Amino acid sequence: AQTVTQSQPEMSVQEAETVTLSCTYDTSESDYYLFWYKQPPSRQMILVIRQEAYKQQNATENRFSVNFQKAAKSFSLKISDSQLGDAAMYFCAYRRFSDMRFGAGTRLTVKP
Amino acid sequence: DADVTQTPRNRITKTGKRIMLECSQTKGHDRMYWYRQDPGLGLRLIYYSFDVKDINKGEISDGYSVSRQAQAKFSLSLESAIPNQTALYFCATSDLPSGNTDTQYFGPGTRLTVL
Repeated sequence: AQTVTQSQPEMSVQEAETVTLSCTYDTSESDYYLFWYKQPPSRQMILVIRQEAYKQQNATENRFSVNFQKAAKSFSLKISDSQLGDAAMYFCAYRRFSDMRFGAGTRLTVKP
Repeated sequence: DADVTQTPRNRITKTGKRIMLECSQTKGHDRMYWYRQDPGLGLRLIYYSFDVKDINKGEISDGYSVSRQAQAKFSLSLESAIPNQTALYFCATSDLPSGNTDTQYFGPGTRLTVL
């Protein structure tokens, strides 16, 4: 079974600074998708960024970017110019067909 | 104008009671999913449905059942609730196969407490 591991239960960053959240996954497949979701206190799951495994180029969405290392099975999220509104739980997820797996999450605190 | 809605948002029930959680979507997606979220475990897939006549078990389906009443509606039932089913439940849709982003869109969640 595919597993997704987020080794940092909690992270903290100063406002306007940069933070990187780690994610590793285990799979024997070559074609899959990876995602980062944000869950603020409202509980809503919000898609932050997605990456197709067949694409070598790292995905970027405004202040959010990923470092996708397929051979190492690593998918980290970098948040630049952190804002107070970035404070939330962040979940890394792996998907291949109907198999969707989430990591346990990283709680990000943003200090003013 | 939420695209994926869940009712109720919060529910407290007693052990042994039957309970139904409902999900509706206006996104026109064929695929719908039910997840549960427990602290420290992330989200785990309970059931998924690729269309009205296609329902499949997920990672943790024991103790749950589902009904896909229409393309837009997907309900999750706990026939006899037990305390370890206390969790946050999410419904989601995805834009496959018509779309190509393979992205899931989540509802706001239902917090269920079983006493």
